[in-house]
Amino acid sequence: EIVMTQSPATLSVSPGERATLSCRASQSVSSNLAWYQQKPGQAPRLLIYGASTRATGIPARFSGSGYGTEFSLTISSLQSEDFAAYYCQQYNNWPWTFGQGTKVEIK
Amino acid sequence: EVQLVESGGGLVQPGGSLRLSCAASGFTFSLYWIHWVRQTPGKGLVWVSRINTDGSDTIYADSVKGRFTISRDNAKNTVYLQMNSLRAEDTAVYYCARGSSYSAYWGQGTLVTVSS
Repeated sequence: EIVMTQSPATLSVSPGERATLSCRASQSVSSNLAWYQQKPGQAPRLLIYGASTRATGIPARFSGSGYGTEFSLTISSLQSEDFAAYYCQQYNNWPWTFGQGTKVEIK
Repeated sequence: EVQLVESGGGLVQPGGSLRLSCAASGFTFSLYWIHWVRQTPGKGLVWVSRINTDGSDTIYADSVKGRFTISRDNAKNTVYLQMNSLRAEDTAVYYCARGSSYSAYWGQGTLVTVSS
């Protein structure tokens, strides 16, 4: 199965600053990559699919990029509601696999 | 409004069984694949199983193959996950999710605890 590796595990950022999260696949997943945000006690929320397409209702401060094995999620100016865990997921091959997550915390 | 509501979780002894349900509303249920994904604090999100629109095709993660069975009843807008021979490592929050690739819709999850 494809292993998804996210870095860093924890990212400490001040409100208003930019955050960049990375996700690497053990083999090419083309652009079949999604990003999710998850807050404690809640289900994952789809942010990005197709590596770079924002899901419905997702603010423009969230952007995704990458292809093949290297991907990134950028939050251009962190708002208080953005402090959460973020997961990447590949859907190029079965089984779906997720990264272990990056926790974005307040610095 | 699209809704997925899981139920059936609880405390079960190792070796026991449990059946989870995922009740859907707000969309044409029979047109969508449904997945089960579980989450533990230590291992994050792990995909468990998927069923296609009419239930004729199912796939499983290796860790649950032969022990879990996914099924659906399109008349009741519900997907089931029958979990047998449960192990401590099956302890997790189980989510159902809609979609053929990524998923924009997830339920709120149901907690399964396998412990003696």
